Amino acid sequence: AQSVAQPEDQVNVAEGNPLTVKCTYSVSGNPYLFWYVQYPNRGLQFLLKYITGDNLVKGSYGFEAEFNKSQTSFHLKKPSALVSDSALYFCAVRDGRGYQKVTFGIGTKLQVIP
Amino acid sequence: GAVVSQHPSRVICKSGTSVKIECRSLDFQATTMFWYRQFPKQSLMLMATSNEGSKATYEQGVEKDKFLINHASLTLSTLTVASAHPEDSSFYICSAPGSPYGYTFGSGTRLTVV
Repeated sequence: AQSVAQPEDQVNVAEGNPLTVKCTYSVSGNPYLFWYVQYPNRGLQFLLKYITGDNLVKGSYGFEAEFNKSQTSFHLKKPSALVSDSALYFCAVRDGRGYQKVTFGIGTKLQVIP
Repeated sequence: GAVVSQHPSRVICKSGTSVKIECRSLDFQATTMFWYRQFPKQSLMLMATSNEGSKATYEQGVEKDKFLINHASLTLSTLTVASAHPEDSSFYICSAPGSPYGYTFGSGTRLTVV
């Protein structure tokens, strides 16, 4: 079985400061990892994904994430937070073997303080 | 890019009535559609997977007779909540594979049963 853990329910960061939203995963095969953002009463928007290649993945809106195989982590980062980044962030994983369903973490609420 | 159009965005219905939610893939063919339910402050729970031309696959614990899924064409999948009750009130989101590894989400439907 595959799983995703987002250990923080909420992350508060001051505008302009770097932000990190943590994610660890468990999967049998090679992981396909995703980050999505959700604004209130909206669907999920894709930020970035890791399939293979460079461990540092760059995505939308200045976000990036680092794949760490030994720590089974895929933390989301941004060098300088914006108030508009305040939203709910979901980490997700699927097994890279064949076509499999995606498992989501519980979500982390990011609050950027002006 | 790939877009999934989900309607309605909000619906309020009386207890005992049925509600249909539609998800259409725009500019691409979605042979598969995932249907999720999201409770407040919780992650997305996969309810079922619909496949064009065949019966949907339901996750354990999801009532097939309550949540009727039809995948009529390569661009349309529907979820009907039959005889809805207040406990069915939730946020429902559809998702289709919109790229080789990524997934495209609809904007979600907020269902309130009164």
